[in-house]
Amino acid sequence: QVTLKESGPALVKPTQTLTLTCTFSGFSLSTFAMRVNWIRQPPGKALEWLARIDWDDDKFYRASLKTRLTISKDTSKNQVVLTMTNMDPVDTATYYCALLKRGVDAFHVWGQGTMVTVSS
Amino acid sequence: DIQMTQSPSTLSASVGDRVTITCRASQSISRWLAWYQQKPGKAPKLLIYDASSLESGVPSGFSGSGSGTEFTLTISSLQPDDFATYYCQQYNSFPWTFGQGTKVEIK
Repeated sequence: QVTLKESGPALVKPTQTLTLTCTFSGFSLSTFAMRVNWIRQPPGKALEWLARIDWDDDKFYRASLKTRLTISKDTSKNQVVLTMTNMDPVDTATYYCALLKRGVDAFHVWGQGTMVTVSS
Repeated sequence: DIQMTQSPSTLSASVGDRVTITCRASQSISRWLAWYQQKPGKAPKLLIYDASSLESGVPSGFSGSGSGTEFTLTISSLQPDDFATYYCQQYNSFPWTFGQGTKVEIK
């Protein structure tokens, strides 16, 4: 059974760097065609795709946030880490990690999400 | 970025109703579209991918259609468990984008 779970701080101050960890089980990110993504959702608003990392370490970022985002993986720990610099109150959201369906760019399995509030 | 526009934003319906939600893309996305269901406080759940392929385990009452710029999600007979918010998502080109959501409420 594939599961993903996000972890990280619930509260960060403006200008700080956010570090989120996605810990997964049921698959290996060194396996061909496995791809993990980060998606966020501000309270009461729509979903926004942020970044993706692939089994071969290819990385993709939302262009408008690219200068602030870094995605990485630790295959031995079954983790994907997202860092976002220079946090602002508009970055307040629930952050999800999600696995793409093999051969299809649809988000097949999602974590439960972690709520991050940006406030001084 | 490709803009995804869903209509209606809110839909009031009764159990047993046939429900249709529309998603329009600002440019052609071929059939690279997915539909998700989200309930309050929960992560989205994949329902449909490639515009019309039903995800494993999803009830057959859900169906998707369309190509190019116009797509629909249909629930053939609304069940109590179907009251939720539905999102479309394009994966034709980066950045992948979502519609603003359609909330299906109890009438």
